[in-house]
Amino acid sequence: EAQVTQNPRYLITVTGKKLTVTCSQNMNHEYMSWYRQDPGLGLRQIYYSMNVEVTDKGDVPEGYKVSRKEKRNFPLILESPSPNQTSLYFCASRGLAGENEQFFGPGTRLTVL
Amino acid sequence: QQQVKQSPQSLIVQKGGISIINCAYENTAFDYFPWYQQFPGKGPALLIAIRPDVSEKKEGRFTISFNKSAKQFSLHIMDSQPGDSATYFCAATYTGTASKLTFGTGTRLQVTL
Repeated sequence: EAQVTQNPRYLITVTGKKLTVTCSQNMNHEYMSWYRQDPGLGLRQIYYSMNVEVTDKGDVPEGYKVSRKEKRNFPLILESPSPNQTSLYFCASRGLAGENEQFFGPGTRLTVL
Repeated sequence: QQQVKQSPQSLIVQKGGISIINCAYENTAFDYFPWYQQFPGKGPALLIAIRPDVSEKKEGRFTISFNKSAKQFSLHIMDSQPGDSATYFCAATYTGTASKLTFGTGTRLQVTL
């Protein structure tokens, strides 16, 4: 089954404790992105990657890091989480060919205390 | 700066009625306008999309109407069903970018019996 998976689905942590949210896709997609979803703000792009070892900032990159060492994986790293990073996070991917449809993962709900 | 404005924020429609969600964009370079549907606990999924060379696209009970001169597009859900209850996001992007979608703020639709 073609899908984007994220782990963990839920995470409660404390300020300053480094964490990583993993994202993996099995569709051989080149493009991968991270979004955060907040009430009244919709989805905002954090970082994206056009291919292995190619990443760039989205609209709200502050406080986040990403890496793309393998085509299928695109982890999101919060080196020193803060309460304003409490949010619902989505990973998404798309291929180069065809329409611009992005496939989203199931989401990770992060709470930073 | 919000480039895609979506309204209403929430909508209650009776079963069998028509649901209408509106979006307006600012960037005239946008050339792909998708609508995403999100159920609670799930990631957004592409519902229907349109390019500006047509004024309307219909897929089953879902129709996008597009007004290029007014820079507006809307989603119409005919014969709304309780199973349509979800959050709907409009989005926009332009070919050539690294799949960056600019999302509206979302509309929570509730279809009552």
